[in-house]
Amino acid sequence: NAGVMQNPRHLVRRRGQEARLRCSPMKGHSHVYWYRQLPEEGLKFMVYLQKENIIDESGMPKERFSAEFPKEGPSILRIQQVVRGDSAAYFCASSPLSQGTGGSNEKLFFGSGTQLSVL
Amino acid sequence: QQQVKQSPQSLIVQKGGISIINCAYENTAFDYFPWYQQFPGKGPALLIAIRPDVSEKKEGRFTISFNKSAKQFSLHIMDSQPGDSATYFCAASTSTGGFKTIFGAGTRLFVKA
Repeated sequence: NAGVMQNPRHLVRRRGQEARLRCSPMKGHSHVYWYRQLPEEGLKFMVYLQKENIIDESGMPKERFSAEFPKEGPSILRIQQVVRGDSAAYFCASSPLSQGTGGSNEKLFFGSGTQLSVL
Repeated sequence: QQQVKQSPQSLIVQKGGISIINCAYENTAFDYFPWYQQFPGKGPALLIAIRPDVSEKKEGRFTISFNKSAKQFSLHIMDSQPGDSATYFCAASTSTGGFKTIFGAGTRLFVKA
């Protein structure tokens, strides 16, 4: 039973390029969360998606960042026109149920992350 | 309101000692308090979690103490081992009107052999 798969593990981009980060949730999980981790900092919530729906994107910058979770295929976090400040580790997590549905706070299963470096 | 404050930032403990990490929260709507453990190059993994209807939860060498009135909770690692060296994150989430898990800034634990 494969865990949450993220790729690539490392991504190097020059300023102005686009970064595409992929996340395949655990089998049977239809809820995906993206977090950003800066050095010496905790995980900052970015976006929560279900299949074909963005549920909460309150943690995502309004410009240049977008996320999707299509009916088929992995969830994609896209960063357009990257800047040096986008350099961070981006983690994807999945859960089988929505946290917030009648007290069923399921734990998050995290992938190993994508380390984005912007030159 | 959504913040979870964690301390200390780093901790060095002798093998066999007790590691204690503290967290405080503000949002009284939080009703689930997990602790995650992260090793270098890996994603965080759930270690232990507690709900506010109990004051303590123990799993092996790991214990969460919860003080609802003070809005504080802590992780105790008994008989700390070098293999426990990792970054530990406290977190909080709410089952009503929210689904985001809010994380503390993390504590880097080093257990000396």
